[in-house]
Amino acid sequence: NAGVTQTPKFRILKIGQSMTLQCAQDMNHNYMYWYRQDPGMGLKLIYYSVGAGITDKGEVPNGYNVSRSTTEDFPLRLELAAPSQTSVYFCASIGTRRDTQYFGPGTRLTVL
Amino acid sequence: AQSVTQLGSHVSVSEGALVLLRCNYSSSVPPYLFWYVQYPNQGLQLLLKYTSAATLVKGINGFEAEFKKSETSFHLTKPSAHMSDAAEYFCAVSHGGSQGNLIFGKGTKLSVKP
Repeated sequence: NAGVTQTPKFRILKIGQSMTLQCAQDMNHNYMYWYRQDPGMGLKLIYYSVGAGITDKGEVPNGYNVSRSTTEDFPLRLELAAPSQTSVYFCASIGTRRDTQYFGPGTRLTVL
Repeated sequence: AQSVTQLGSHVSVSEGALVLLRCNYSSSVPPYLFWYVQYPNQGLQLLLKYTSAATLVKGINGFEAEFKKSETSFHLTKPSAHMSDAAEYFCAVSHGGSQGNLIFGKGTKLSVKP
């Protein structure tokens, strides 16, 4: 199993541009999550999904959108990039026991 | 509401010394508790977890943590630090019966001096 994969690894955006961060998992996990990590702040939950077609907001959802059309994929969309969205983004998934989250390697995004 | 407090954003120890990273939590329901490690420019890796079984939990790389309900603590320890332990460590809490959402502490960066 590849586990949780994320693309791209790095990206620089200009203010107002849009992009999609990709996340995929091959463990047949129903639950998937997007976090952002800022220095000294730990990880904050942006959105999560409990299964295909079902998504819900986390702690910091503003400026982001998600979709979940398949069990495997959980893309995160930034529509109008702002400097405040400069961060490292992590995707994670969890199995049916819901006791251990598996994390992807992260996407480092800079908005200038 | 659940929360996690990690005492000390930076901890420095000498190689071979005891490692103690502190974590206190608040939760209105019996929690699941986790320690994750993050090496530079990498994702998070699970060190260990407490899910209401034994209160002393052993993890990878010689780390262990003890769940103390009376103190609402889940401190991470390792008897003898190694240079390779230098990383950032995150404590997290979840009530696993719901969506499994994790609440993370702000992290503690561990430095190991030769």
